[in-house]
Amino acid sequence: EIVLTQSPGTLSLSPGERATLSCRASPSVNSRYFAWYQQKAGQAPRLLIYGASSRATGIPDRFSGSGSGTDFTLTISRLEPEDFAVYYCQQYGSSPYTFGQGTKLEIK
Amino acid sequence: EVQLLESGGGLVQPGGSLRLSCAASGFTFNIHGMSWVRQAPGKGLEWVSTTSGSGSSTFYADSVKGRFTISRDNSKNTLYLQLNSLRAEDTALYYCAKLFGYYTEEAFDFWGQGTMVTVSS
Repeated sequence: EIVLTQSPGTLSLSPGERATLSCRASPSVNSRYFAWYQQKAGQAPRLLIYGASSRATGIPDRFSGSGSGTDFTLTISRLEPEDFAVYYCQQYGSSPYTFGQGTKLEIK
Repeated sequence: EVQLLESGGGLVQPGGSLRLSCAASGFTFNIHGMSWVRQAPGKGLEWVSTTSGSGSSTFYADSVKGRFTISRDNSKNTLYLQLNSLRAEDTALYYCAKLFGYYTEEAFDFWGQGTMVTVSS
C-alpha cells in the first residue's frame, strides 16, 4: 500500500498570501496517477489537479501542482476567501487508491 | 451537466446489509470508470472501491474486501455498492465518483453529494 502523508496538518494564512501544501508518498508514485482535491465544509470533494500538474476543468490558474516520485506540492499563488477548505492528495495508480489525511487551510 | 445521485443509505444494525445506488446522468456512463469513497464523521476521505467502464475490473480497499461488492448496470446508468456484514466502523457518508476515463487508473473528476450509512444497534 502507498501511504500519503500531508503537511502541515493545518495552515493558517491570510487572503492574498501564497499557500504551499505538501504530500509525501511512500513508496514512490508515478506522477501520472497523482491528484489533489478540495473539500469545503458540507460539500463533496472537487478535483483540482490530476497527473500531478494538470488543472481540472474550471479550476483557476492560481492553483498549480508539481512534483514527482515521493514529493508533491499544491501551490495556491494568491489566496481568495473561497480557497479556505481542506485539501487532499490521492494516488490512483496502484490499488488501494489511497488519500492523504488532509491539510486544513484556515483563515489567519 | 454531470449528475450523480446516491441513495440507499440509512440506519442498519451491526451484521446487517444495505445496497447503495448511484444514478448517473449528463455523460456517457459506460465509458467511464466509477468509484465509491467514504468519509466517516469528522474524518478524511477513504477510498472504498473502483470499477472499470465495463465492470469487468474491480478493486477494493482491504477494509471492505469480502464484505462489499461494487457493480454497475450500464443499461440503467447506475452504479451499486452492496454492503454486507456491516460494522460500526463502516459508518460514513458514502460518495459515488466518476472517473476521468474508461479505466480504473483515473482521477475522480466528479462527485455526488453522498448517502449516509449508520451502523448501530
